[in-house]
Amino acid sequence: GENVEQHPSTLSVQEGDSAVIKCTYSDSASNYFPWYKQELGKGPQLIIDIRSNVGEKKDQRIAVTLNKTAKHFSLHITETQPEDSAVYFCAARLTSNEKLTFGTGTRLTIIP
Amino acid sequence: DAGITQSPRYKITETGRQVTLMCHQTWSHSYMFWYRQDLGHGLRLIYYSAAADITDKGEVPDGYVVSRSKTENFPLTLESATRSQTSVYFCASSDSRRSGGTEAFFGQGTRLTVV
Repeated sequence: GENVEQHPSTLSVQEGDSAVIKCTYSDSASNYFPWYKQELGKGPQLIIDIRSNVGEKKDQRIAVTLNKTAKHFSLHITETQPEDSAVYFCAARLTSNEKLTFGTGTRLTIIP
Repeated sequence: DAGITQSPRYKITETGRQVTLMCHQTWSHSYMFWYRQDLGHGLRLIYYSAAADITDKGEVPDGYVVSRSKTENFPLTLESATRSQTSVYFCASSDSRRSGGTEAFFGQGTRLTVV
């Protein structure tokens, strides 16, 4: 089955700086890569996603890049703000079904 | 209200007892999932369902039972709870056949403590 590794497990950045979280996946048949943000006491919520036919996608301060050859994808958050503090999960999904395999999460802390 | 709801939000049970966690979604999504969240492990898939009466095991199914007699409900039962099943449980639903519908939506979670 699919295996997703995520790094780092914790990340602290100064407010206004950029944050980068990286994930690798094992199954070349995966074609959909979402990123979820989880705030304290809540369920994960989708913030951005990318399909395997696209190399990069941006949504305001958030961007995701995908390298299919290397089987890794990254989340980039620019101009970080205190409300960006949360746990972030990457995930991968095979073409054959809708199961998501998640990374182990990154706790991002924005230092004011 | 529309969305995906889990109940209860918090539950304390004793070792050996049976406990059922409920999940209800109002979108008629075909797929539903149960994940458990533990420190250092992220979200691990317990069971999932592609449609009513169709269920399949995920990564960590031992000790759990699911059913899906109706599209909107997907209860998770711990037949004989153990301390290792203390966790936060999340239900999710998705349906990529729908227009723009690739996203999986998560409930608020159920924090289960087995004592």
